Amino acid sequence: DAGITQSPRHKVTETGTPVTLRCHQTENHRYMYWYRQDPGHGLRLIHYSYGVKDTDKGEVSDGYSVSRSKTEDFLLTLESATSSQTSVYFCAIRQGGDSPLHFGNGTRLTVT
Amino acid sequence: QKEVEQDPGPLSVPEGAIVSLNCTYSNSAFQYFMWYRQYSRKGPELLMYTYSSGNKEDGRFTAQVDKSSKYISLFIRDSQPSDSATYLCAMTQTSYDKVIFGPGTSLSVIP
Repeated sequence: DAGITQSPRHKVTETGTPVTLRCHQTENHRYMYWYRQDPGHGLRLIHYSYGVKDTDKGEVSDGYSVSRSKTEDFLLTLESATSSQTSVYFCAIRQGGDSPLHFGNGTRLTVT
Repeated sequence: QKEVEQDPGPLSVPEGAIVSLNCTYSNSAFQYFMWYRQYSRKGPELLMYTYSSGNKEDGRFTAQVDKSSKYISLFIRDSQPSDSATYLCAMTQTSYDKVIFGPGTSLSVIP
């Protein structure tokens, strides 16, 4: 798993509640990413970070925010969860330069 | 049109068969190409990482890139039941850019 830990692994929450997912890496990689994976859509980029406090939006960023205060941690927050945000969320890291993405094992989120 | 297209499958083959998995893409600027394998309820696992056109071999796996046709392939020789998974292609313009994924092809290798 390339030194990536996602927490929690499973979560059920109610519509309208805030939710924070955590990604922790031990590889000291500069780049970190949050993707969601849904049937028929594959992996879609939500937000990514290219350094501490440096983040940018991906293709499906509405309703999500992120923070990165330390190299090893990248947090994804759903300010007010909706049923459309029921998904599997994957964190990925990348060293930069000539290197690919490496993924964690995901967080399965259900919004009821 | 999606940037990256993949046959969704499911693809079912007998053990020992040669498997061909394919992706097409629309952005001619893509230069880095990846193949990932994803088992059920797990994260994608990197199989192959290639730059520009040509072939790359790693054990039973061969990745092929044809930039002129905007087409990439992954070949699996002597397929095994443990190869049963979803295979995702991915690509990016530069090594620092966002990585775009195909929707994945589900493969079953029958003993």
